[in-house]
Amino acid sequence: RKEVEQDPGPFNVPEGATVAFNCTYSNSASQSFFWYRQDCRKEPKLLMSVYSSGNEDGRFTAQLNRASQYISLLIRDSKLSDSATYLCVVNIRGGANNLFFGTGTRLTVIP
Amino acid sequence: DVKVTQSSRYLVKRTGEKVFLECVQDMDHENMFWYRQDPGLGLRLIYFSYDVKMKEKGDIPEGYSVSREKKERFSLILESASTNQTSMYLCASSSPSEASNQPQHFGDGTRLSIL
Repeated sequence: RKEVEQDPGPFNVPEGATVAFNCTYSNSASQSFFWYRQDCRKEPKLLMSVYSSGNEDGRFTAQLNRASQYISLLIRDSKLSDSATYLCVVNIRGGANNLFFGTGTRLTVIP
Repeated sequence: DVKVTQSSRYLVKRTGEKVFLECVQDMDHENMFWYRQDPGLGLRLIYFSYDVKMKEKGDIPEGYSVSREKKERFSLILESASTNQTSMYLCASSSPSEASNQPQHFGDGTRLSIL
């Protein structure tokens, strides 16, 4: 079983739509969680950290459900510029070298 | 802003060649990483370094070695390139003082093709 799993998509949504991605992780002792964004042929960049109480950054909302071992990313009012691959990242045991990356969920926002 | 610079965006080499991928970061980060990214497999850690001359194997170190002679520079070496090492290679750095919460900063990536 993979440490981190995500639906690869693709998700094709119209502009203005709300879209949500989920990501599950296998290790219940996982300590920190992030969403990264990766544009085509570019490097991953941090989109937002995910806090236990949930957190929001503009149109983006991240949530953590420890009981069910998943994190989610909600994007409201989708823009064309949101088209990218979204990577779920989990720090399994703390320490710098224990980040595990999901394979990513591809989002295309259609005009 | 953290800057992680990889020496080449695209590289084409032949089977059996020794290949060097260079990475430099300008934020005085102790931690540096090399990953490869393949479709359907995501990012996989090849090697990790937490200090000058220190290195640890990641999940897929076979066929690779690394060198960290200076704090800002972390080199990935393919001892004898093979076609299954064709991939996107990503270098990253981070600060150990916030190891659990400080995300990694990535370079632009090197798309390596082995013919």
